[in-house]
Amino acid sequence: DTGVSQDPRHKITKRGQNVTFRCDPISEHNHLYWYRQTLGQGPEFLTYFQNEAQLEKSRLLSDRFSAERPKGSFSTLEIQRTEQGDSAMYLCASSRTGGAGYGYTFGSGTRLTVV
Amino acid sequence: DQQVKQNSPSLSVQEGRISILNCDYTNSMFDYFLWYKKYPAEGPTFLISISSIKDKNEDGRFTVFLNKSAKHLSLHIVPSQPGDSAVYFCAATINNNDMRFGAGTRLTVKP
Repeated sequence: DTGVSQDPRHKITKRGQNVTFRCDPISEHNHLYWYRQTLGQGPEFLTYFQNEAQLEKSRLLSDRFSAERPKGSFSTLEIQRTEQGDSAMYLCASSRTGGAGYGYTFGSGTRLTVV
Repeated sequence: DQQVKQNSPSLSVQEGRISILNCDYTNSMFDYFLWYKKYPAEGPTFLISISSIKDKNEDGRFTVFLNKSAKHLSLHIVPSQPGDSAVYFCAATINNNDMRFGAGTRLTVKP
């Protein structure tokens, strides 16, 4: 069990560019979540996958954001035409079925800075 | 729509004393409440949880209390240790999906 891995750890991009982040969950976890955290706030839910199916999306996930989880393993989060307001820590988490009460296992996050 | 609120951004306690972190929520449909701990440059780490059908859960130095009528929960750490210094997030969930987090409380435990 190597935990949840996120890549890259840091990303600096110019406004208007596209960026893609990757998350590798714990192998036996079939639930995967993306969150965004800005300074002084708690993590905000973005989207949720059960296996390869994207079951829920937050209103925060505008049409510039897209997430995928092909084959139900790793997931990618893409932001198109980045804006300065997209600067945040993007966190990925995973959990196993029936894991209510056991919490999610979070990765260390990808810090995005849009300049 | 802030369904989970932590109204104290920071708390400072002396080593060996009790730390009490508080959290309020608005959605009566939440079925699990959780506390996470976060160190700088790391993701949040799950600490302890409580089901909505219970009023107390204990794990070593950590105890979570739930008051459903007041829609309030608290985390007690006793005795507090300097290594407990971190940001603590309260979270709540329905069916383990769409977990909502509070804004966090930064705990500082002074030696």
